[in-house]
Amino acid sequence: DVKVTQSSRYLVKRTGEKVFLECVQDMDHENMFWYRQDPGLGLRLIYFSYDVKMKEKGDIPEGYSVSREKKERFSLILESASTNQTSMYLCASSLKQVAAYEQYFGPGTRLTVT
Amino acid sequence: AQTVTQSQPEMSVQEAETVTLSCTYDTSESDYYLFWYKQPPSRQMILVIRQEAYKQQNATENRFSVNFQKAAKSFSLKISDSQLGDAAMYFCAYQEYGNKLVFGAGTILRVKS
Repeated sequence: DVKVTQSSRYLVKRTGEKVFLECVQDMDHENMFWYRQDPGLGLRLIYFSYDVKMKEKGDIPEGYSVSREKKERFSLILESASTNQTSMYLCASSLKQVAAYEQYFGPGTRLTVT
Repeated sequence: AQTVTQSQPEMSVQEAETVTLSCTYDTSESDYYLFWYKQPPSRQMILVIRQEAYKQQNATENRFSVNFQKAAKSFSLKISDSQLGDAAMYFCAYQEYGNKLVFGAGTILRVKS
């Protein structure tokens, strides 16, 4: 059974803090993704990675960075958190593309920046 | 850029009845994939059903089926014999081969007992 875990379900941070969101998958998936989910906007891709130490910008990368030092772990970093980054953050993983590939999602981290 | 539109922010259905969730998308491509994902309250998002654009036959998974109209760029999800466990946010998503998923805004489905 594929499992994607995220380090926290709920997180409260102050404006200006550096925030780390961790994601771990246990199925040896090559691809990993970070999304943010906001009401009325669906899921928007922040960053993704096709391999270790590799990263690609998604649709809304501003204010975020990522790190993938190991295949199973993909971290999202908010260098200086702002209130407009209050959101639900979802991590996902999938096999390397051979056709349409199913993405497996983590439970999400609800981040509040005050 | 490709876009996915779910025009129904919320839907309600009586238990055991049938409900259809709408999705339209915009693309100039001929080969692509379409998905419906389900996000139950406080639980992880899971794949419900997938459709390859080159297949004319509509995908079916137990009580879930799709109506794929390629010319109209429409991809609706039909849930038959609705159950309380079907209550969730449903997302329609589009993908070109090897590319990222593009999600719609989602539809909240409420199931009444």
